[in-house]
Amino acid sequence: EIVLTQSPGTLSLSPGERATLSCRASQSVTSNYLAWYQQRPGQAPRLLIYGASSRATGIPDRFSGGGSGTDFTLTISRLEPEDFAVYYCQQYGSSVALTFGGGTNVEIK
Amino acid sequence: EVQLVESGGGLVQSGGSLRLSCTASGFTFTTYTMNWVRQAPGKGLEWVAYISSRSSTTYYADSVQGRFTISRDNAKSSLYLQMNSLRAEDTAVYYCAKARYCSGGNCLLDYWGLGTLVTVSS
Repeated sequence: EIVLTQSPGTLSLSPGERATLSCRASQSVTSNYLAWYQQRPGQAPRLLIYGASSRATGIPDRFSGGGSGTDFTLTISRLEPEDFAVYYCQQYGSSVALTFGGGTNVEIK
Repeated sequence: EVQLVESGGGLVQSGGSLRLSCTASGFTFTTYTMNWVRQAPGKGLEWVAYISSRSSTTYYADSVQGRFTISRDNAKSSLYLQMNSLRAEDTAVYYCAKARYCSGGNCLLDYWGLGTLVTVSS
């Protein structure tokens, strides 16, 4: 099973600032099949990024994903008020049970 | 517009049973693998179960194997989760989620429902 470790656990930033979130895998992610989800308080998760760097339908271009192998990042170029949320990474390249990272909480400073 | 609406959650005693439902619309349900994912209060996401488009293949998390059963009725565009022998640690919001792509039992989930809360009292 691939273990995903997200850092930091909490990121305290102000609106307009840049956010960089990290997701590290315990072994290489097949075909860079790495996704990012956003979960706002009281809401369901929403797919943001798939294939490490492709934005899902309707996702603003201030969200970008990068990385390969075992190290991946989600960058939010300029934080909007609605971007303060919890972000999860997930790998879907291995043919074993689906697992998520522990999440990064992006909170208002 | 893709919509997934869960129902059937509630309060149940430890050892009891509950059946969750998820009604899908806005896409061709029969074509897609579906999953259940849960989230305990204040915790992260935990995958629970997977069912292929024609129900030929199912997978379960170790934590629910032998107690939970996933099923679907393609004629009704509905997904189900039968939960037996419930434990306090099963308390969570349960989400149904549509798979966009799967590699074996591991899927990219592109749409999620709003979830239904299951509370197991001890």
